[in-house]
Amino acid sequence: IVLTQSPATLSLSPGESATLSCRASQSISTYLAWYQQKPGQAPRLLIYDSYHRATGIPARFSGSGSGTDFTLTISGLEPEDFAVYYCQQRKNYFTFGQGTKLEIK
Amino acid sequence: EIRLVESGGIVVQPGGSLRLSCAASGFTFEDYTMYWFRQTPAMGLEWVSQITWDGSGTYYADSVKGRFTISRDDNKKSLFLEMKNLRPEDTGLYYCAKDMSSLQLQLLPDSWGQGTLVTVSS
Repeated sequence: IVLTQSPATLSLSPGESATLSCRASQSISTYLAWYQQKPGQAPRLLIYDSYHRATGIPARFSGSGSGTDFTLTISGLEPEDFAVYYCQQRKNYFTFGQGTKLEIK
Repeated sequence: EIRLVESGGIVVQPGGSLRLSCAASGFTFEDYTMYWFRQTPAMGLEWVSQITWDGSGTYYADSVKGRFTISRDDNKKSLFLEMKNLRPEDTGLYYCAKDMSSLQLQLLPDSWGQGTLVTVSS
């Protein structure tokens, strides 16, 4: 299963909202997770099974979607939110998307 | 606090061997499925291998099957990855991770280590 993320890079300012997309090559139901990775750090689980927030994740992070199209929304960007975001499916073992870099405009 | 600390990454020649270790603390290690992932500029994040909490199930990506072996020592709260016949394309930052829930195979790694760097080059 191939995951395609868009856009590759998203330039926004703090306080704005971010919408990141992930499309699967075949239906994965809601078996999609989102991770955040900052330079020099390991990936951090944000969202699992499309819309469940992981422990300790702020409410400004939300996920949606099912089947092949998924969205991660970050409402009111904080300075610490600028990072690379990956989607991951667990319908058939693991695959990750290629990532979306969220950068400060 | 959950901690996963990888070690063992070095520079090795093609065809060589290496053993990675991951020391776990802060959770009941023997109750969790554990994973190895790697990250490279070319391929991004890749799943490498996983082992179930009871050690009964081990799984490998096709790219490493037959060359890598995952194992665990619950007494030492440690995870291992034995790597043989290494290739340049195995170069990358190797992470260990734990599954989200105990006594299940969820394919949801929720805690990751900081990684150990493996470089395969002559």
